Amino acid sequence: SQQGEEDPQALSIQEGENATMNCSYKTSINNLQWYRQNSGRGLVHLILIRSNEREKHSGRLRVTLDTSKKSSSLLITASRAADTASYFCATDATAAGSYQLTFGKGTKLSVIP
Amino acid sequence: GAGVSQSPSNKVTEKGKDVELRCDPISGHTALYWYRQSLGQGLEFLIYFQGNSAPDKSGLPSDRFSAERTGGSVSTLTIQRTQQEDSAVYLCASSFAGQRGYGYTFGSGTRLTVV
Repeated sequence: SQQGEEDPQALSIQEGENATMNCSYKTSINNLQWYRQNSGRGLVHLILIRSNEREKHSGRLRVTLDTSKKSSSLLITASRAADTASYFCATDATAAGSYQLTFGKGTKLSVIP
Repeated sequence: GAGVSQSPSNKVTEKGKDVELRCDPISGHTALYWYRQSLGQGLEFLIYFQGNSAPDKSGLPSDRFSAERTGGSVSTLTIQRTQQEDSAVYLCASSFAGQRGYGYTFGSGTRLTVV
């Protein structure tokens, strides 16, 4: 079953603008992660935020987590053409001793030079 | 190796034939996962191996799908009597089992086309 749902499904922006993608989920989580996928191949881990954290930064990436609303957002600032990719949120809602991620369907980001 | 290695990168097979997909995880990663991604879709969980524990096979779509992990390292996903709906990119990932501070490391996937 789908745990994380990204919004919007597709986003097109000009280079230099900021891009914001949202993720909603249904059950309590241990952590939430964001991944990037280029050209329908392997995913690259971007950032992980734990359930007791509210905001995290990594370079031009900013992730927020609101556990009361069961939602997260990924902000990419000063976007570049190279940021064009699909972005997925993944939730870890498993019990202790197990570790399995459930992925959403992704947001397809196009950054126009 | 430095990353997760999958082979072949592309596979075209005739309907009804069996295929084997291989995954070589990062050395030291005791957890290994298989996912499937159909065109334009999200990732569908297939199977999960952790150390010597019994694998979690809850995501396998039918009994035509099976997977093994030998010696706690290399894994093989086998699809018997392939159907056209099996066409997808099959992704393997590995991680430090049970350590939630780490994300998955994915391979580049095997694109399977059943004709």
